[in-house]
This record gives sequence, structure tokens and C-alpha cells, in this order.
Amino acid sequence: GENVEQHPSTLSVQEGDSAVIKCTYSDSASNYFPWYKQELGKRPQLIIDIRSNVGEKKDQRIAVTLNKTAKHFSLHITETQPEDSAVYFCAARANTGKLIFGQGTTLQVKP
Amino acid sequence: EAQVTQNPRYLITVTGKKLTVTCSQNMNHEYMSWYRQDPGLGLRQIYYSMNVEVTDKGDVPEGYKVSRKEKRNFPLILESPSPNQTSLYFCASSPLNYNEQFFGPGTRLTVL
Repeated sequence: GENVEQHPSTLSVQEGDSAVIKCTYSDSASNYFPWYKQELGKRPQLIIDIRSNVGEKKDQRIAVTLNKTAKHFSLHITETQPEDSAVYFCAARANTGKLIFGQGTTLQVKP
Repeated sequence: EAQVTQNPRYLITVTGKKLTVTCSQNMNHEYMSWYRQDPGLGLRQIYYSMNVEVTDKGDVPEGYKVSRKEKRNFPLILESPSPNQTSLYFCASSPLNYNEQFFGPGTRLTVL
């Protein structure tokens, strides 16, 4: 069935370093790939998304890359700051409309 | 203000006592969904709905029911709650054309 694998489950970086989170998906018909950030005790919120007709998208310090052939996509955060500490979820949406989430990555940015 | 609301936010109940968690959105979104969040398991989809009177099972539908009689409301029903349904529940909505999914504030449910 449809599945999204996310790695790593935890990631610790020094402030100012870059962080990369990777996801792979199983349904080749998936065509929408959002990334959500969830701060402690709060709801997930969209930080960036990419559609299948685009290979890369940037928004200030955040970028997402998509490799449709390999069925994987990645989140890149540059110049990390302590406020980037949170749980990050990737997701893939198939033509059915169903959105499948990865297991989440807990990012810790140490000052 | 555009938003997704859930009620109650917190609920402690006992095994077997039927309960309903309400979800409402004011953005005229076609797509609505329920997730449960458990440590280490991410967000798992329970049920989703593409429009009024159209619902489909997600990955973990057992023990849950939903209905979509109006576009704005998508209640989650636990007919006979069990302790393994203790979790944090999120409702979400979005337009059908693969735009941002908006999440409600969450409902923390404890079943004793």
C-alpha cells in the first residue's frame, strides 16, 4: 500500500549548520509533497510544499528537492536557528486525495 | 478568521462510553481528514472525506466512524472507546486541488 518513509527520526545540529531530512514514497502517482513543522504542544503547520512538475523550491532558508524517478524528496534548512527546533513531517498526496505522512523527524538546534 | 475548530480539546473517558469529537471549518474546503498522533508513529490517517456524503478509510479506521452531512462539519465518533485509542487527534481540511492542509488545534483523548 501507500507508504512514506522519513529519515532520520532525530537530528541534532549546531546553530548555523545545515539540516537535511529525507523522505521516500511508494506510490508513483503521488503528485504533491508538503512539509509540516510541529512545535511542542501545537498543531502541524505547512512550511513548504512542492508539486511533481517541479524539481526544487526555495523559501528563504528552507528548500525542498524532489526526485520523481527515485521517488524521494528532501527538506534542507540552512543557517539553522534555535527556533527551528521542532518535529518535521513530510507527506505525499496521491491522486486519490489521500495524504500520507512520514513518521516525523525531531530536529534539535543547539545554541 | 479562517480556521479549523475541534471540540473538546481535552477528554478523559472510560472504556465503552460512546463519544464524538466535532470538527468544523469555515473555509468551504472540500477535503477533510482525521489523524491520530502517537509518539514515534507520526500522523496516521483515520478517515478522510473528499466532499459531502463521500468518506473513505485511512490507514487506521478500526474503532472509528465519521460522517459528512454538511461541508463544514466532519465529526469523529468512537462508538465503544478502548484504551488503545488514547491519543492526540487532529482534524484537517484543504481545498481539493492539493493546496495547504489546515489543521485544527488537536484533541487529547484519554480512555481509561
